[in-house]
Amino acid sequence: EIVLTQSPGTLSVSPGERVTLSCGASQSVSSYLAWYQQKPGQAPRLLIYDASNRATGIPARFSGSGSGTDFTLTISSLEPEDFAVYYCQQRSNWITFGQGTRLEIK
Amino acid sequence: QMQLQQWGAGLLKPSETLSLTCAVYGVSFSIYHWSWIRQPPGKGLEWIGEINHSGCTNYNPSLKSRVTISVDTSKNQFSLKVTYVTAADTAVYYCARMTTDGIIDYWGQGTLVTVSS
Repeated sequence: EIVLTQSPGTLSVSPGERVTLSCGASQSVSSYLAWYQQKPGQAPRLLIYDASNRATGIPARFSGSGSGTDFTLTISSLEPEDFAVYYCQQRSNWITFGQGTRLEIK
Repeated sequence: QMQLQQWGAGLLKPSETLSLTCAVYGVSFSIYHWSWIRQPPGKGLEWIGEINHSGCTNYNPSLKSRVTISVDTSKNQFSLKVTYVTAADTAVYYCARMTTDGIIDYWGQGTLVTVSS
């Protein structure tokens, strides 16, 4: 099983800031990595697929990069609605998710 | 407008069988795969398995012995059964759409299933 490790676990930031979330894989997943946003009481929403492709309707302030074992999700300027939990997910070998990074308001 | 509508029993006793169904509206059922994913309260996401319109399945190896996913193409529905549930199976269960190359791009609203004696 491919283990995805996200860091940090929690990030306290202010609206307008730029943030970078990390996801590391225990072995290469090529570019088969996605990012999801989940707000309380809601289902996850696909943000990024194949490491760097924005899903339909996702604002340009969200961007993804990386390949192999190291990936990042960057939000260029935080909006109030961006405070949520973010998960990475790989589909290279079955499907596994990271444990999540919580973005909270400072 | 695509919709995934899911339903099933929300309270089970240990050793019972969990049974959920997801109906698909507004999209061609046959060109996607269909997945189940669960999330224990306050915890992360766990992929359970997937099925296509032909009934071909893939399961999470850690759950495979207790899980069955089936499909009813006449109703555009797919279903999940998990046998011999325990408290560890308490979770919100999501049905989801998956592209043929494995991108999970649309999720149902989720169903909380609680296992308690």
